Amino acid sequence: EIVLTQSPATLSLSPGDRASLSCRASQSVDTYLAWYQQRPGQAPRLLIYSSSERVPGIPPRFSGSGFGTDFTLTISSLEPEDFAVYYCQQRRDWPLTFGGGSRVETK
Amino acid sequence: EVQLVESGGGLVQPGGSLRLSCATSGFRFDIYTMHWVRQAPGKGLEWVSTFSSAGGSTYYADSVKGRFIISRDTSKNSLFLEMSSLRAEDTALYYCARDLSGGDNYFDSWGQGTLVTVSS
Repeated sequence: EIVLTQSPATLSLSPGDRASLSCRASQSVDTYLAWYQQRPGQAPRLLIYSSSERVPGIPPRFSGSGFGTDFTLTISSLEPEDFAVYYCQQRRDWPLTFGGGSRVETK
Repeated sequence: EVQLVESGGGLVQPGGSLRLSCATSGFRFDIYTMHWVRQAPGKGLEWVSTFSSAGGSTYYADSVKGRFIISRDTSKNSLFLEMSSLRAEDTALYYCARDLSGGDNYFDSWGQGTLVTVSS
């Protein structure tokens, strides 16, 4: 099973700040990695797939990068609605797995 | 508009069974791979099962293999999860999710979930 480790667990930032979230895989997933946002009380929302492809309708302040085992989700300038939990997910191999999540909270 | 609506959750005793349903609309259900993903209270996301639109192959997490069965009814545009031998650790909000495309295995659209509680 491919284990995804996200860091940091919690990121305390202010609106307008830049956020960088990390996802590290226990073995290579090529570019088969996605990022999801989950706001309190809501279902997750797909933001980025295939490491760097933004889903239509997702604001350009969200970007993804990485290959192999190291990936980053960057939010260039945090908006109030971006304070949420973010999960990475790999589809390189079965079972499909998620990281443990990173919470972006208001400082 | 894509819509996914889960139902069938509830309180069940350990060892019991439950059948979850996911009614879909707004897209061609028969050509999309579909998934179940769960989230225990206060915890992260866990993939549970996949029904592939390509040939009807099914996939399961080790934690549910042999106890859960995923199926679909294309005439009703619905996805199902038959759950048996339920354990306390199966307690979670169960989401139905549509694949990004035919078999990308990314979760593009989600329902609001149905809560399963396994307790005596």
